[in-house]
Amino acid sequence: KAGVTQTPRYLIKTRGQQVTLSCSPISGHRSVSWYQQTPGQGLQFLFEYFSETQRNKGNFPGRFSGRQFSNSRSEMNVSTLELGDSALYLCASSLERGDNEQFFGPGTRLTVL
Amino acid sequence: QKEVEQNSGPLSVPEGAIASLNCTYSDRGSQSFFWYRQYSGKSPELIMSIYSNGDKEDGRFTAQLNKASQYVSLLIRDSQPSDSATYLCAVSNAGNNRKLIWGLGTSLAVNP
Repeated sequence: KAGVTQTPRYLIKTRGQQVTLSCSPISGHRSVSWYQQTPGQGLQFLFEYFSETQRNKGNFPGRFSGRQFSNSRSEMNVSTLELGDSALYLCASSLERGDNEQFFGPGTRLTVL
Repeated sequence: QKEVEQNSGPLSVPEGAIASLNCTYSDRGSQSFFWYRQYSGKSPELIMSIYSNGDKEDGRFTAQLNKASQYVSLLIRDSQPSDSATYLCAVSNAGNNRKLIWGLGTSLAVNP
C-alpha cells in the first residue's frame, strides 16, 4: 500500500498570505489528523477529520481550518500567516479512530517571512 | 502539568548496549500507548503499540506497560548507531474527544 502523501513538501510565504496544504491518507484509512511541529513545542494537535466531519480540534486560532473530502483526502488552510506559523505540518492517517495507530506523511515545511 | 512526560535527554549509550526510554502519563483512563521514532528532519514512524500491562517484544524492541504506575517504557537491545533519533511516546486520552497525547520526545545517541 502506498503511504501517506503530503503536498507540497516545502513552502515559503510572507506574513499576511494564506496557504493550503494537502494530505492523502493510506488507502482505506478514514481518519486524518493534522499536527504542527516546532522545536521545543513538540507535536501540537490541530484537528482530526473522519467521514468529512471535523471530529476533534486542538487549541489553535480560527485562522487554522481544514476539511476532508469524500475520498478521505484532507486539506488544511492557514489564513493571514504570522511568523510564528513557521513549522513542520504533519498529517497522519488512521484506519478508523484518531486515538489509535497513526501513520505519518513526510510533512510540509512552511516558512513564513 | 504535562499529560505525557519524557526525559528530553540526550540519552547516550554505547553501541551494543540496551537503551531504556521512559514515559509517564497522567490520564488513568488511557488505553492505548505508542512509541514513535523520528529522525532529524523526518516525520515520526510507528515502532510499537501496546494495550495491555506487561511486555511486548518486536525484534530488538520491547515495550513495557504498567497502568497502575502510569508509565510505559521502550527498551532497545543491541543498540545501533542507526537507532540514534528522537523517540516519541503517545498515549490515547479517555473521554469523548479521543485523540493521542504526545510527549516531547527523548533524544537518543548511540555511540560507535
